[in-house]
Amino acid sequence: DIQMTQSPSSLSASVGDRVTITCRASQSISTYLNWYQQKPGKAPNLLIYSASSLPPGVPSRFSGSGSGTDFSLTISSLQPEDFATYYCQQSDSTALSFGAGTRVEI
Amino acid sequence: QIQLVQSGPEVKKPGASVKVSCKASGYTFTSYGIHWVRQAPGQGLEWMGRISAYNGNTNYAQRFQDRVIMTTDTSTKTAYMEVRSLRVDDTAVYYCARDLQQWPISNGYWGQGTLVTVSS
Repeated sequence: DIQMTQSPSSLSASVGDRVTITCRASQSISTYLNWYQQKPGKAPNLLIYSASSLPPGVPSRFSGSGSGTDFSLTISSLQPEDFATYYCQQSDSTALSFGAGTRVEI
Repeated sequence: QIQLVQSGPEVKKPGASVKVSCKASGYTFTSYGIHWVRQAPGQGLEWMGRISAYNGNTNYAQRFQDRVIMTTDTSTKTAYMEVRSLRVDDTAVYYCARDLQQWPISNGYWGQGTLVTVSS
């Protein structure tokens, strides 16, 4: 199975900050990398698919980059509603897998 | 609009089975796969498997291959996930999710989650 390692596991930031979260795959996954945001008590929400594509309705302050084994999610200017937990997910293998998550808090 | 509506909370004893349903609406059911993802209390997301609503083909995470069965009923546009031989550590919120698009795979639409509690 492909292992996904996220860092950091948590971070503290302020409104307006630029925030970057990284995700590393245990083997090359091309650009088959998705990012999700989850708020407490809610289902996850897809933020980025195929490493850098935004689904309709996702604000442009979210961006993704990377290929192969190293990926990043960047929030250009953190907003109050962005305080949440973020997960990466690989979809290269028929057995998908998530990273452990990064909690973004004040 | 696209919706996935899951069945209600369940309480089971260790060793029992549970079957969670996920009723889809707002799209052609057979055009997209359905994934199941679980989240234990205070823990991260765990992908369990995927079923093609087109032909019923399944892919399971290795750790669930022996205890989980995913099925669909195209007549009612409903996906099901059954977990057998439940253990206390199967206590979690179970989510169904639909592929955003046919390829590449990503979980673009989610159900509201079903809490399954396993306790003696």
